[in-house]
Amino acid sequence: DQQVKQNSPSLSVQEGRISILNCDYTNSMFDYFLWYKKYPAEGPTFLISISSIKDKNEDGRFTVFLNKSAKHLSLHIVPSQPGDSAVYFCAASALGGAQKLVFGQGTRLTINP
Amino acid sequence: GAVVSQHPSWVICKSGTSVKIECRSLDFQATTMFWYRQFPKQSLMLMATSNEGSKATYEQGVEKDKFLINHASLTLSTLTVTSAHPEDSSFYICSATPGGHEQYFGPGTRLTVT
Repeated sequence: DQQVKQNSPSLSVQEGRISILNCDYTNSMFDYFLWYKKYPAEGPTFLISISSIKDKNEDGRFTVFLNKSAKHLSLHIVPSQPGDSAVYFCAASALGGAQKLVFGQGTRLTINP
Repeated sequence: GAVVSQHPSWVICKSGTSVKIECRSLDFQATTMFWYRQFPKQSLMLMATSNEGSKATYEQGVEKDKFLINHASLTLSTLTVTSAHPEDSSFYICSATPGGHEQYFGPGTRLTVT
């Protein structure tokens, strides 16, 4: 039962354009969502998060949008840079869930020069 | 801030032997640490949650006698893979949290069992 889904295994974007990564979830108990960036053979790096009481959170080039009714969140990166090429994971945690994170499958983002 | 280290970064061991992996939070005290496993091109799968001074909570399907977790202090947790087999070969990643939702991940340990 995949509670957090990233349906696009890969995404290719031209440098300078906007990258949009999508994530869907099924568990209505999730109340906090995070995005992580991961390079091969390294641990994930925290990027940005959003609480379920908000619908948008922005940090520099990164913006996360949350649509609770659709159980959908997205990460926007603008402008995209070559260094953004990595695998991006969305993750979710539930109130009372002992801080456990449930990860999506990841989306490999490639930024083309 | 929020740096987590893991040691070793990679290890090769023979089938039947045990391997210990350390996870340290370097600049904060971790109330909780987590151990994950990642297979190639797959997501991170939570193996267990550990709180300092108490027994780890294992996820369904994870053998607690095979994957021994010790959370000796607020900055150190260890994972010991006992009687390792080739199917235990994987990328093991720990994370730590000072509280709240964010988890900070270590760089991972590549285990190869021959």
